[in-house]
Amino acid sequence: SQQGEEDPQALSIQEGENATMNCSYKTSINNLQWYRQNSGRGLVHLILIRSNEREKHSGRLRVTLDTSKKSSSLLITASRAADTASYFCATEAMNRDDKIIFGKGTRLHILP
Amino acid sequence: NAGVTQTPKFRVLKTGQSMTLLCAQDMNHEYMYWYRQDPGMGLRLIHYSVGEGTTAKGEVPDGYNVSRLKKQNFLLGLESAAPSQTSVYFCASSYSKRDGSYEQYFGPGTRLTVT
Repeated sequence: SQQGEEDPQALSIQEGENATMNCSYKTSINNLQWYRQNSGRGLVHLILIRSNEREKHSGRLRVTLDTSKKSSSLLITASRAADTASYFCATEAMNRDDKIIFGKGTRLHILP
Repeated sequence: NAGVTQTPKFRVLKTGQSMTLLCAQDMNHEYMYWYRQDPGMGLRLIHYSVGEGTTAKGEVPDGYNVSRLKKQNFLLGLESAAPSQTSVYFCASSYSKRDGSYEQYFGPGTRLTVT
């Protein structure tokens, strides 16, 4: 069974608006990562947040983590057409079995 | 650096045929992974390896075998292909946890169709 579940499954917004995607997971984690996948390509790592961190920034990306709710959010500010992609959260469970488990992803479409 | 490369990019198999997918990385990563991606299912971990000569099962290992004879290569084998194995296969690699880095680097994928 998959650890992470992204919400919403799909999101369409106007260029320039902010996009927010959420990820919920089931078990305690060491860290949570967000990846981007452009159509027909492999995944690209965006940002990692550790279990003892609550918020992290990278350029136009802001990630939050709430371990009490077992959830994370990815905010993309001032969206651009190039942000159109699928976004996945991935978690490393605290059981140290070396596996990274991915969610099903959110498809983000930026409208011109 | 080429990063993570996968061979082949596309393949069509008939049911019952066998094949091997090759993943190679030139970043001296300890960890390597094989995933499959199906519509609406995200990525599911098939097998992974935490070092040369070691392999472990992921979420969906049935019908697949793997080998990691060399640190830079991770092979995924299908002994008797089934239509349910039609998917896009991604290989990934990463440093070991003791290096403090968890970022996975992905290959471009192999699109496999089993008829």
